[in-house]
Amino acid sequence: ELKVEQNPLFLSMQEGKNYTIYCNYSTTSDRLYWYRQDPGKSLESLFVLLSNGAVKQEGRLMASLDTKARLSTLHITAAVHDLSATYFCAPPVGNQFYFGTGTSLTVIP
Amino acid sequence: NAGVTQTPKFQVLKTGQSMTLQCAQDMNHNSMYWYRQDPGMGLRLIYYSASEGTTDKGEVPNGYNVSRLNKREFSLRLESAAPSQTSVYFCASSNQLGDTQYFGPGTRLTVL
Repeated sequence: ELKVEQNPLFLSMQEGKNYTIYCNYSTTSDRLYWYRQDPGKSLESLFVLLSNGAVKQEGRLMASLDTKARLSTLHITAAVHDLSATYFCAPPVGNQFYFGTGTSLTVIP
Repeated sequence: NAGVTQTPKFQVLKTGQSMTLQCAQDMNHNSMYWYRQDPGMGLRLIYYSASEGTTDKGEVPNGYNVSRLNKREFSLRLESAAPSQTSVYFCASSNQLGDTQYFGPGTRLTVL
């Protein structure tokens, strides 16, 4: 059974600070997705990382993938309040996606 | 272009009642999915459909059935609802299996 672990589960950070969210998974997958979910809303795709060493950046978020270590990171630079949300990583294995438990991020002014 | 739509948005059932959750997408996607989201557990795949005419079990299929009515529509049926099925249900679609998924707004289901 594939396990997807995210750390931390809850993150409270001040505006302007940097932080990294980690996603570890237990079975080989050649790609990984990051999604964002606002409270009470649906999920929105942020990044797809398609190969080992892939790095994607969008605004203050940067994601990377190390398929050998089965690790992905989501780095937040100079956080702003608008980034407050829950972030999920999801490595597909075979025909199925397995979602992490999510990291709930709160950015405090 | 509405993307992925789901009905209803909210539903309250009594134990033993049945209901069908509806999902439709207008992006001409081949693959569709049903997930449930419970607090602290992320999303878990219930069933998926790789293409029109095919359905397969996901991680937590017990107590559910699905129908891929056509390329646009994928419904989820609870034959005899149980309190353990209280959850938020999301439908999603993607061009192919393993591609980026686009999610509907969700259905919040409570079973008393």
